Amino acid sequence: GAVVSQHPSRVICKSGTSVKIECRSLDFQATTMFWYRQFPKQSLMLMATSNEGSKATYEQGVEKDKFLINHASLTLSTLTVTSAHPEDSSFYICSARDPGGVQFFGPGTRLTVL
Amino acid sequence: QKEVEQDPGPLSVPEGAIVSLNCTYSNSAFQYFMWYRQYSRKGPELLMYTYSSGNKEDGRFTAQVDKSSKYISLFIRDSQPSDSATYLCAMRPGNDYKLSFGAGTTVTVRA
Repeated sequence: GAVVSQHPSRVICKSGTSVKIECRSLDFQATTMFWYRQFPKQSLMLMATSNEGSKATYEQGVEKDKFLINHASLTLSTLTVTSAHPEDSSFYICSARDPGGVQFFGPGTRLTVL
Repeated sequence: QKEVEQDPGPLSVPEGAIVSLNCTYSNSAFQYFMWYRQYSRKGPELLMYTYSSGNKEDGRFTAQVDKSSKYISLFIRDSQPSDSATYLCAMRPGNDYKLSFGAGTTVTVRA
């Protein structure tokens, strides 16, 4: 299957700082990438859909000014958590849609905000 | 009522047993059906991808889709301890790439 990478895999930051997470499709071009959040023992919650060259589409209840998404190329999307607070601590996972319409997921980033 | 229903388990089986997982859904527009495996603290890994009704087999894994009953299944034959994970069903309509997920079933295969 296709490979999607995420960086960093873990990050610990102080409250009030911003954190950037990168998502890359390594062996295919992805016009669409998705960002999810997952709480312990729960399923994935879609935060936003990222389309290359255009603004991201956010799900209801997700603050677009807090979770900044940039999809500058066909292989890279970034999620920036601005002014992070402890309640933003979570497991963030990206996925990339291949040309056949299949979503492949990254390994996830565990964010801990102190 | 959730759009996709999946029993969260947990499900515990002895090594070598057949693992049977299933999901039901309510949206008749769903056309693409997937099963992902997720190990603890990792991202989901695609196991099976099927379109419309029918069966698909890949090694020890068999996926079944019955659109008339809005019911999908995943069978794992000759289960191994390495199959211990959470299994997520996911599905989407033909004209939308956003996935709807089940809650995930946690499976433990005992050695």
